[in-house]
Amino acid sequence: ETGVTQTPRHLVMGMTNKKSLKCEQHLGHNAMYWYKQSAKKPLELMFVYSLEERVENNSVPSRFSPECPNSSHLFLHLHTLQPEDSALYLCASSQDGTTYNEQFFGPGTRLTVL
Amino acid sequence: QKEVEQNSGPLSVPEGAIASLNCTYSDRVSQSFFWYRQYSGKSPELIMSIYSNGDKEDGRFTAQLNKASQYVSLLIRDSQPSDSATYLCAVIKDLTLNQFYFGTGTSLTVIP
Repeated sequence: ETGVTQTPRHLVMGMTNKKSLKCEQHLGHNAMYWYKQSAKKPLELMFVYSLEERVENNSVPSRFSPECPNSSHLFLHLHTLQPEDSALYLCASSQDGTTYNEQFFGPGTRLTVL
Repeated sequence: QKEVEQNSGPLSVPEGAIASLNCTYSDRVSQSFFWYRQYSGKSPELIMSIYSNGDKEDGRFTAQLNKASQYVSLLIRDSQPSDSATYLCAVIKDLTLNQFYFGTGTSLTVIP
């Protein structure tokens, strides 16, 4: 296993719920990422944080709200999601956010929206 | 048009053979190229990165980049059953805009 942990590993929520995904990296990295992986679709970059500042959100719907309180922790706050948001959400970290090289991924949170 | 295209497979090769995985990308100005391996039920892990034309070797893996033809490939020599996984190609189209795209992956099965 890598030095990136994610909780919870599985989450089932209704469309009106509010929940949060948590990611923690123990690698001393300065950049963290959220990705969405859906079946039969490419891995999609959602958010990038470099030195705790959001660099890009890639036009992600506002029902997804990231938070990076420090360089080791990253959250993804979820509210009023749609069934099509059901997917595997992966967190990753890298030494810096300038090259995308050497990204280490966490195990992911499998999200199901009912 | 997809930013990154890969044949989804499945690709099957016998143990000990060379597995060849291909990837094409749409934008000629793309800068950096990566191959990730993803085992079923696991998260992706970086195998190789390549930035300039030509070959780059790391153990049994060789990445090949041809910017003129806009393709990048991964060769796995002496394939082992443990190489059975989905291989994801990823491309940085524009670093300043954080345009980082993955392909859908090619499923490889190495038959003992």
